Amino acid sequence: QSALTQPASVSGSPGQSITISCTGTSSDVGSYNLVSWYQQHPGKAPKLMIYEVSKRPSGVSNRFSGSKSGNTASLTISGLQAEDEADYYCCSYAGSSSDYVFGTGTKVTVL
Amino acid sequence: EVQLVQSGAEVKKPGESLKISCKGSGYSFTSYWIGWVRQMPGKGLEWMGIIYPGDSDTRYSPSFQGQVTISADKSISTAYLQWSSLKASDTAMYYCVRHSTGAFDIWGQGTMVTVSS
Repeated sequence: QSALTQPASVSGSPGQSITISCTGTSSDVGSYNLVSWYQQHPGKAPKLMIYEVSKRPSGVSNRFSGSKSGNTASLTISGLQAEDEADYYCCSYAGSSSDYVFGTGTKVTVL
Repeated sequence: EVQLVQSGAEVKKPGESLKISCKGSGYSFTSYWIGWVRQMPGKGLEWMGIIYPGDSDTRYSPSFQGQVTISADKSISTAYLQWSSLKASDTAMYYCVRHSTGAFDIWGQGTMVTVSS
């Protein structure tokens, strides 16, 4: 099972919106609405930001939103803030033979 | 507070065995799957496998099948990840995670494993 493909880096200025893509296949992202997104600051454990494609856990800012079209999922961060600078990973269920697969990760830089 | 607390950092030599732990608290440990995720230095997250402590049903990523063993002791709300013969390439941070609604909602603080001669 290959890792889902994400851009290596995305940047934006404070207040702008950015979108991170996560491309999989018809065996993972395209088949299940079980895409999640994680934020990881340096030296810290990852934190769940989005689950089931577009749902936000309690406590996560509504500036974070998720969507999916075909084999590609997306995470949008609106009103970019300095604290959003981190690595972001997508993850998808990939069926019972592999269970889960993570994305390659995207470094978000706030200019 | 719902949390997963992992055992401390380990430094081992190639060929040695190791078992690291992950203790859950603040929720019904037997009602949620617990998974393990590897992060090699400077690299991304990799899915290793998952166990249901209620009945010890275990599944492995094809990449890690046969390389590690995942187990759990529900009597003490603890999951384990073990190696029988470590390699230098096992050097990484290992996270345990709680699985809920198709995602990993609670993460342990991570256990750093260093394998070096």
